[in-house]
Amino acid sequence: KNEVEQSPQNLTAQEGEFITINCSYSVGISALHWLQQHPGGGIVSLFMLSSGKKKHGRLIATINIQEKHSSLHITASHPRDSAVYICAVRYTGNQFYFGTGTSLTVIP
Amino acid sequence: DGGITQSPKYLFRKEGQNVTLSCEQNLNHDAMYWYRQDPGQGLRLIYYSQIVNDFQKGDIAEGYSVSREKKESFPLTVTSAQKNPTAFYLCASIGEESGSYEQYFGPGTRLTVT
Repeated sequence: KNEVEQSPQNLTAQEGEFITINCSYSVGISALHWLQQHPGGGIVSLFMLSSGKKKHGRLIATINIQEKHSSLHITASHPRDSAVYICAVRYTGNQFYFGTGTSLTVIP
Repeated sequence: DGGITQSPKYLFRKEGQNVTLSCEQNLNHDAMYWYRQDPGQGLRLIYYSQIVNDFQKGDIAEGYSVSREKKESFPLTVTSAQKNPTAFYLCASIGEESGSYEQYFGPGTRLTVT
């Protein structure tokens, strides 16, 4: 079954806090994407991972293939990071399956 | 700038009418997708196309139809057979950038059917 589970569903943090969002999936994948959705609805791709770790600015994404788990970290969080973060996995072929998202609010 | 455009941003229709949502990309990507997003649910795949003149049903294709006559364009028609058409619709494409596949999304169309 192609399940993608994210936790937490909702997250409120104070500005400057270190944030972690988790994603678990049920079967082997070829790639995992972290996406950011802003209140207006637009979605931006943050990372695509198939192994290891990637870093872009204050964002870090890691993946553990054996444990079928990925984390998205935000260091020194800022109110502009407030958004919904979505995990999507790609199995064989070109279809993606999406988690329900983590709604992050960073308070000044 | 390369990207995906969807129009219109907001669309209102009466029940029983068919409506077509536009999706255009200038990224030269072969694969294009239509997703539906409902509150509290992850994006769900309606249709996808990996090449011109070919497309496959996704998990929730009933009540929808698509065409792919040009590489750049992948319009979605929401027919009167779709029981709950009110939703946020996102078009996406996939292409290889710097050795890895990346997803690109359009800004979405919010459809309200009354």
